[in-house]
This record gives sequence, structure tokens and C-alpha cells, in this order.
Amino acid sequence: DAKTTQPPSMDCAEGRAANLPCNHSTISGNEYVYWYRQIHSQGPQYIIHGLKNNETNEMASLIITEDRKSSTLILPHATLRDTAVYYCIVGEGDYGGSQGNLIFGKGTKLSVKP
Amino acid sequence: DVKVTQSSRYLVKRTGEKVFLECVQDMDHENMFWYRQDPGLGLRLIYFSYDVKMKEKGDIPEGYSVSREKKERFSLILESASTSQTSMYLCASGAGVLEQYFGPGTRLTVT
Repeated sequence: DAKTTQPPSMDCAEGRAANLPCNHSTISGNEYVYWYRQIHSQGPQYIIHGLKNNETNEMASLIITEDRKSSTLILPHATLRDTAVYYCIVGEGDYGGSQGNLIFGKGTKLSVKP
Repeated sequence: DVKVTQSSRYLVKRTGEKVFLECVQDMDHENMFWYRQDPGLGLRLIYFSYDVKMKEKGDIPEGYSVSREKKERFSLILESASTSQTSMYLCASGAGVLEQYFGPGTRLTVT
């Protein structure tokens, strides 16, 4: 069963912020939220992850709600090169609970338009 | 930046051939992974390794083997290639289990 739900597609105007939501209502206390994306014909690309605090790096920001049941990935100034499928997954961060098997759902296809 | 390189972007092999796919990472990561990706089936884990000379089977190890003699290098071997192994092969490395950095992929065609 999928542990996350995401909208199948979203559009965003170039230069505007892209806000991609993810629901993970069954997340457990030691599970992190990870975001990846996959641009057509390329391998997946790690973006960011977090446990409960908001996180920011050079690519994006991750906002996790206080109850941790949902999160939003924010690309602050989307460009055409950000057009990709974005995947939200949850899992434990250490080897105690996971083989490290990335199981992506269907993700959100983000189309950035000029 | 993390760099994961794979030996070939495109490869064409004949049925029955032994195929070697090489992956090298430059970040001193403990963990390395081999996946295949097929349309409609998503990403599937073949093997992973969490240390030199250590390997663990993933979800679809049949028909494949791996080798990790050095920390930076993880090789995938198709002992006798079959047409069902035509796929995109992706190598990844990571310091953490789910924070993985992928190579560009090798598109293998077995004829």
C-alpha cells in the first residue's frame, strides 16, 4: 500500500514558486520524508529530506506540518529545467529499518511553462 | 557535489553474453545500490551493498550478481544476458540509506 499520496500533475509558471504537496498520514515517529525528482531519460535525483523541522538547501525547501501528516516541497523560482516527476517517500533514515529500497509511487508530474 | 559514474550510457549485447556494468562513486559512501527501471514497473532494487565485499539481495536478484572489491566501485554482472534483461540500469550511492545519489544510467539492449 502506498504510504504517500500526491496529485498526479501540476503546472507552474516559469519564475514562480512551485509548491508540491504530499500526504503521509500514517507516517511513524522515526520516519523521514524524502523528496526526489526524475527528469525524462535521467536517473532519479535526490532533493531534500526532513524529520519534523522545516529544511532548506540550494535546490528547495521542505515544509512539514506540525502533526507530520503532510508536507510541501517548494521550488522557490521554478525554471523550465525543473519540469520533472517529483516523488515523495517516507522511510527510516538508518539501516535498522530499511534496506534502502526506494519505492516510488506515481509522483507528481510538474510542468513548468514559459 | 556527489558524482556517480557508470561505465556506459548505451550498451547492446547478444543473448547469452556475460555483461559487466560498472559504477564508481567519489564520495566515500558506505552504501551502493543497483536498480533497474522499466516503463510501468518503476524502480526495482536488484542488489545493494553496505560495505566492501558485502552484498544483499534486493527484490529481483535472479540472473544477476554483484561485486564490491573496493569501496568506491560496485559492479553488476549479468551472467548470461537474456532479452528480459533489456532495461535501464541505475546505480546509486549514499551515506544514508534513503538519501541516494544516482548515476546517469545505462540503457542495455539484449538482442
